[in-house]
Amino acid sequence: DGGITQSPKYLFRKEGQNVTLSCEQNLNHDAMYWYRQDPGQGLRLIYYSQIVNDFQKGDIAEGYSVSREKKESFPLTVTSAQKNPTAFYLCASIGRANTEAFFGQGTRLTVV
Amino acid sequence: GENVEQHPSTLSVQEGDSAVIKCTYSDSASNYFPWYKQELGKRPQLIIDIRSNVGEKKDQRIAVTLNKTAKHFSLHITETQPEDSAVYFCAASIVYGQNFVFGPGTRLSVLP
Repeated sequence: DGGITQSPKYLFRKEGQNVTLSCEQNLNHDAMYWYRQDPGQGLRLIYYSQIVNDFQKGDIAEGYSVSREKKESFPLTVTSAQKNPTAFYLCASIGRANTEAFFGQGTRLTVV
Repeated sequence: GENVEQHPSTLSVQEGDSAVIKCTYSDSASNYFPWYKQELGKRPQLIIDIRSNVGEKKDQRIAVTLNKTAKHFSLHITETQPEDSAVYFCAASIVYGQNFVFGPGTRLSVLP
C-alpha cells in the first residue's frame, strides 16, 4: 500500500517504557523521515536520514532515537525521556529526485 | 535552511465557494512545490505539484500558482465540496537536493 508500511497502527505504552515504531519501505528511497502530529496540528520533524548509517535531528528530537542500519528500514524509539509522547506518528520516504514524499499510514501512540 | 510558512491556519468556506491557501518559502534555490491533502486519521497524499519553470498548473478543480520573484505559491480550490474538508500541507524542496520542508498546514472546512 504505497510501498511504505508503518506498524503497529495503534500502540499503547505505560509511562516509563520505551517503545519502537516500525517503518519499512520497498521503494528503494534513500531518504526517510519521521514526523509527529498532534490533534489539529501540523507535521513536526523528529528525525530524518538521507542515507544508510546516517541520520539528523529534526526540530523535536528530544526523547526520541532512531537507527538506519538498512536502506529499507528506519525505526523510531520513543524513550521514557519523552514527556508527552501521545500523538500520531508518520513516517515518509523520498526518492533521489527529492520530489514526491510517500507516507506510511501512521501509528497512533497512546500513553496509559 | 528552508523555512515554509502557510496561511491561513484554518479556513471555512461555504460549499460551492472557492478556497485559497498561500505558502511562502525562504530558499530561492527551491524549485519543487507540492501540495498534500490529509483527511482525518489518514496519511497525507500528493494532490498537485509545480516546478519552478512553470507559473501555473491546473487539475480539474484544483490549481497551483507560483511566483518565484516573491517566493510564494498558492493552492486554489474552486467549487468546493464537503469531501474537500481536510488538512492541506504545502512543501518546498530542491530537485535532486536534500531536505523536504513542509508548511504547518491549513485546516479547510467546507460547510454545507
